[in-house]
Amino acid sequence: GDSVTQMEGPVTLSEEAFLTINCTYTATGYPSLFWYVQYPGEGLQLLLKATKADDKGSNKGFEATYRKETTSFHLEKGSVQVSDSAVYFCALRIPYGNNRLAFGKGNQVVVIP
Amino acid sequence: GAGVSQSPSNKVTEKGKDVELRCDPISGHTALYWYRQRLGQGLEFLIYFQGNSAPDKSGLPSDRFSAERTGESVSTLTIQRTQQEDSAVYLCASSFWTSGSSYNEQFFGPGTRLTVL
Repeated sequence: GDSVTQMEGPVTLSEEAFLTINCTYTATGYPSLFWYVQYPGEGLQLLLKATKADDKGSNKGFEATYRKETTSFHLEKGSVQVSDSAVYFCALRIPYGNNRLAFGKGNQVVVIP
Repeated sequence: GAGVSQSPSNKVTEKGKDVELRCDPISGHTALYWYRQRLGQGLEFLIYFQGNSAPDKSGLPSDRFSAERTGESVSTLTIQRTQQEDSAVYLCASSFWTSGSSYNEQFFGPGTRLTVL
């Protein structure tokens, strides 16, 4: 079935470092792809999205490009801040039926000052 | 305006008891989703409501789980005879709905953390 795989384990890095979180997907058809973020004590929020191949989603300095050839949607940020510490989830929209989302397991990102 | 709200925020119960979780969607959102997030896992889809259509229950893990929604308002998720493996954060999301391939952003509530002892 349609699914999303995120890289294993938490990510700890220093302020101003470069962040990459890998995400690959398996889907029939052409899903839309998303990154959601969950800040401590808050609900899930949409960070960015891309709806077709080669689209680049961007928001708050984060970017991700929809790569159909590698079925990937890796999240990147050039210079992280302490305030970026959160859990990041990659997700795809099931391209039929009820628009439900299939999520990866999430990655805890901790940015150290 | 107000976002999606859920209650209670935390629920601790004993194995075998029934629990009821509540979700208040954003006003005007006709689509409502329940998801479950177990520790160390991604969100799992449970059930979907759209207007007055029959709900999509394909994600419910067992017949101990049920959910209701009246029209486009509040939804309740009920778990009967709770088991320890039901411990998780239960998230509700709502969105507008348009037909075809358009995606409408899902707005998530803060979740209910359920602990079954």
